[in-house]
Amino acid sequence: GESVGLHLPTLSVQEGDNSIINCAYSNSASDYFIWYKQESGKGPQFIIDIRSNMDKRQGQRVTVLLNKTVKHLSLQIAATQPGDSAVYFCAENMRGAGGTSYGKLTFGQGTILTVHP
Amino acid sequence: DVKVTQSSRYLVKRTGEKVFLECVQDMDHENMFWYRQDPGLGLRLIYFSYDVKMKEKGDIPEGYSVSREKKERFSLILESASTNQTSMYLCASSPRYRGRQPQHFGDGTRLSIL
Repeated sequence: GESVGLHLPTLSVQEGDNSIINCAYSNSASDYFIWYKQESGKGPQFIIDIRSNMDKRQGQRVTVLLNKTVKHLSLQIAATQPGDSAVYFCAENMRGAGGTSYGKLTFGQGTILTVHP
Repeated sequence: DVKVTQSSRYLVKRTGEKVFLECVQDMDHENMFWYRQDPGLGLRLIYFSYDVKMKEKGDIPEGYSVSREKKERFSLILESASTNQTSMYLCASSPRYRGRQPQHFGDGTRLSIL
């Protein structure tokens, strides 16, 4: 089946820099996208989501951009802090037959973000 | 805040044992999911349930079964544990009738099969 993938498996930045984590998806039927953060020893934690009728959404220090033309999703983290060091996953939800998907997600492999003080 | 609780953080079992992993959520969510997470393979869906007593196979159901007798509880069962089932197991839940909503995860059970 179609899958969600990432351009870069690792990203190292200096504290205070802005970080950009990228994700490519191939399923044009996907209409809902989520970014998760996973710290060592913990489960994935929801960061931000976006629906396909939007191209940008902002949260606290984070922005998600969606480019449906090239099937690309990105997560921007402003003023990156050491506490942002984690694995970041993108996920997509494809609406199933009859409009039901039961909330099933397809996950990317993840990008390791390392923030140096 | 949504809380998804997995009963054990670490488990060590032997080959051939029947293993139960328990998950409880406190937000009245209809959907519940079991994943395994392995290095290089990401999160893979084992089973999910969209209502009490309902279950659907995910991408890798072989060797596993599930039980959803109450809305808040979703159990994963390894019928006869094998070493290739050593992994991190993650449970998640989400609402079904509130539009598009993210899944919320527990902190995982790291299972070792010897």
